[in-house]
Amino acid sequence: TAGITQAPTSQILAAGRSMTLRCTQDMRHNAMYWYRQDLGLGLRLIHYSNTAGTTGKGEVPDGYSVSRANTDDFPLTLASAVPSQTSVYFCASSDSGTGGDEQFFGPGTRLTVL
Amino acid sequence: GQNIDQPTEMTATEGAIVQINCTYQTSGFNGLFWYQQHAGEAPTFLSYNVLDGLEEKGRFSSFLSRSKGYSYLLLKELQMKDSASYLCAFSDSNYQLIWGAGTKLIIKP
Repeated sequence: TAGITQAPTSQILAAGRSMTLRCTQDMRHNAMYWYRQDLGLGLRLIHYSNTAGTTGKGEVPDGYSVSRANTDDFPLTLASAVPSQTSVYFCASSDSGTGGDEQFFGPGTRLTVL
Repeated sequence: GQNIDQPTEMTATEGAIVQINCTYQTSGFNGLFWYQQHAGEAPTFLSYNVLDGLEEKGRFSSFLSRSKGYSYLLLKELQMKDSASYLCAFSDSNYQLIWGAGTKLIIKP
């Protein structure tokens, strides 16, 4: 079982360019999340989706957008990248967006914005 | 406001026991999670506590005191493969996870 996959694995991007990070899960989970992880900081939630067709803003949404057209896919778009968006990005999913459901994480995308 | 705190780094000896503490402050609380993250890899779930007390799962146990805003992860019979970062996170009133920065655990032979 693939679980949750992300693409690309890593990317170097010029400032001002746009990019979409892809995330796909095959567990039929209702909820999906995008986090960024920076050295010395905890994971920070960028956007989330509790079910297909709905999205919400997390702690650090500025400069990012998401869509949830179906259950499996949850792409994250950077419209105009800036160096402060250099980070490791993790996509995660859980059965529901409430309660004590375990979140399953993808392998991450390492993004460098120059 | 909300915050969560855990030590940056801890060192322990193979075969020993180590306790990693986590303290938090929040007005809305829906449980406390512990995850393990090996260097360069994704976090993986270890435990979830929503009621006070100790939850045991093999060599790992997790404790929660809601009144004190305190949790710990206890790792017994340490193995070299336990070298990793351990992340605590609480679920807030909106069921969003607020994460600590992680505790890097170094295991020495």
